[in-house]
Amino acid sequence: QLQLQESGPGLVKPSQTLSLTCAVSGGSISSGGYYWSWIRQHPGKGLEWIAYIYYTGSTYYNPSLKSRVSISVDTSKNQFSLTLRSVTAADTAVYYCAREGLWFGDPTSNWFDPWGQGTLVTVSS
Amino acid sequence: SYELTQPPSVSVSPGQTATITCSGDKLGDKYASWYHQRPGQSPVLLIYQNTKRPSGIPERFSGSNSGNTATLTISGTQAMDEGDYYCQTWDSSTLFGGGTKLTVL
Repeated sequence: QLQLQESGPGLVKPSQTLSLTCAVSGGSISSGGYYWSWIRQHPGKGLEWIAYIYYTGSTYYNPSLKSRVSISVDTSKNQFSLTLRSVTAADTAVYYCAREGLWFGDPTSNWFDPWGQGTLVTVSS
Repeated sequence: SYELTQPPSVSVSPGQTATITCSGDKLGDKYASWYHQRPGQSPVLLIYQNTKRPSGIPERFSGSNSGNTATLTISGTQAMDEGDYYCQTWDSSTLFGGGTKLTVL
């Protein structure tokens, strides 16, 4: 059974960089056919997709966050990572990693399953 | 920019049918997925590609998508179905609806 587990600091100071890692177990990122995504949820709010990466390193970002976000993959460790620069209090959220499924590689047909348990990141001095 | 609109809340009696809608311009021309999130837990995929159910999701969850509205229907609603429901589609990037809180009372 595929499982995803987020890790990273729970507290980041304003203007600094947030870095999170998602460890994948029960399956290989390198097997292909899926994207690997980061999604966040502000406290008490809805879901916001951040970015995805394919095992080849191909990436796609939410246009609203693109200037501050980077996503990378380490197939040798079966994990992928998120970097968010110049954070503010508005970046305080629960950050989830998830596997993104597609129908024959069509990104418009996407869905997310499974999800990690999520990690709360608070931006505060 | 494209937006998905969901009702903030829906109430249903146990055993009855709950209907949660998700509206967007020509949403029926896109694929819609649905997720259930219980308090303090991660979202769980219920429906993808408008009507498909992942393995392990009960048959009482069904989806449709036509015109400007995607609909999640929960037949024989149970107390365990309470929580937040989110629709999701793709328009230049992945988008989620604002969520609907389902109360079973």
